[in-house]
Amino acid sequence: AQKITQTQPGMFVQEKEAVTLDCTYDTSDPSYGLFWYKQPSSGEMIFLIYQGSYDQQNATEGRYSLNFQKARKSANLVISASQLGDSAMYFCAMREGRGYSTLTFGKGTMLLVSP
Amino acid sequence: ETGVTQSPTHLIKTRGQQVTLRCSSQSGHNTVSWYQQALGQGPQFIFQYYREEENGRGNFPPRFSGLQFPNYSSELNVNALELDDSALYLCASSAWRSYNEQFFGPGTRLTVL
Repeated sequence: AQKITQTQPGMFVQEKEAVTLDCTYDTSDPSYGLFWYKQPSSGEMIFLIYQGSYDQQNATEGRYSLNFQKARKSANLVISASQLGDSAMYFCAMREGRGYSTLTFGKGTMLLVSP
Repeated sequence: ETGVTQSPTHLIKTRGQQVTLRCSSQSGHNTVSWYQQALGQGPQFIFQYYREEENGRGNFPPRFSGLQFPNYSSELNVNALELDDSALYLCASSAWRSYNEQFFGPGTRLTVL
C-alpha cells in the first residue's frame, strides 16, 4: 500500500481564490510528521509547512495551512489567496518514527493559477 | 534559499559510465540524505549519511554509494549507469534527529544516453 496518496494530478484555480490540495497517509507508527513541499520548474524542493502527529493544532505558515485530520489520516494543504507564483508541483511527504529524518513522498499535484 | 548547494547542475553520461554528484549541507546540519526523482514522480529515498557513515538506505542497488566528509558535505556515486538512472538527484540536509526540518538543494539533473 502506498504510504502517501495524492489523488489530484492537477488542480486549476484563479488568482486570489483559495485551493485545497489533498493528501492521505498510511502509517502504524504513533510518532510521525507530515510535510508539504513546493517544487517549481527549476526543480528545488521548497519547504512550506510541517505538522507533527502529536500537535494539537493545525499548522499555519502565512498563506499556507495544513488541515490535519488524524482519524481520517489526511493532511490537506490549504493555500489562501492564490498567487500566480504559486503555480508549481506540490508534494506531501511523511517522516515516520523519531530515529531518522528520511521522507516518503507522494506523486504530487500540479497547481496552475490563472489570472 | 536553503544554503544547500549541489554540483553539477546538469550532467549527461552514457550507459555503463560512472558519475559522482556533490552536495554541501546547510551550516549546522550534520545529516545528509539523497533522493532520486524520476520524471513525473515524487522523490525516492536513496540513503542517508550521519557522521560519515551510512545511516539508512532505501531500495537501491549497491552500485549507488555515497560518502560524507568531516565538513558534512557529501557525494553520491553511481556505477554502471543505466538508462533508468536518468533523474533529478536531490540532496537534503538536516540536524541529527531533527523532526521537522529537511532542506533541499537545487538538484542535479542526470541524463543517461
